[in-house]
Amino acid sequence: SQQGEEDPQALSIQEGENATMNCSYKTSINNLQWYRQNSGRGLVHLILIRSNEREKHSGRLRVTLDTSKKSSSLLITASRAADTASYFCATLMPNAGGTSYGKLTFGQGTILTVHP
Amino acid sequence: EAQVTQNPRYLITVTGKKLTVTCSQNMNHEYMSWYRQDPGLGLRQIYYSMNVEVTDKGDVPEGYKVSRKEKRNFPLILESPSPNQTSLYFCASSPGGREPQHFGDGTRLSIL
Repeated sequence: SQQGEEDPQALSIQEGENATMNCSYKTSINNLQWYRQNSGRGLVHLILIRSNEREKHSGRLRVTLDTSKKSSSLLITASRAADTASYFCATLMPNAGGTSYGKLTFGQGTILTVHP
Repeated sequence: EAQVTQNPRYLITVTGKKLTVTCSQNMNHEYMSWYRQDPGLGLRQIYYSMNVEVTDKGDVPEGYKVSRKEKRNFPLILESPSPNQTSLYFCASSPGGREPQHFGDGTRLSIL
């Protein structure tokens, strides 16, 4: 299975509710990034959390990282219809020789639908 | 406007006909990368480049070539395309390998 696995695969909620998406990974990472993708478009970066950080906030977004459990979660509070999109976690690891950090591995994504 | 530009946006071609997808960024970023996106598989990294003349394999490099002769450009080359390379391709760039990436709008390739 892949380095990053997300749960749930799909999430359907009403406007105003909170949405939580989870990401698990297998190997040690340098950082973990969350991206958003509107249907068929390019990805947009949301939040980056480093391996020595436990929580970060950006507006209505809250990301946690538990390196002991190799997992992260993205919480979107007070969801809006405009939050409807696919959300991906991505983990940054070193290359095979351990000489640089550029290898980014994405999860399969969570499709979030927010109903007005 | 800061952007990553991919061309073409759409291409239908036939097996074995060499093709190049161009990627250009205007942000003076050192790092650039290529991904393919397939249903149910998320994005998978093909190749990345930490700087000019420095490239490294991602998770699915087979069947692809890249070059990084100038900082702004990072073309993806399919020397002998096959139907299993039909996919949505994204180019991305960032100031460095550990930074968030800026993505292009994607190139949809269909290989018949």
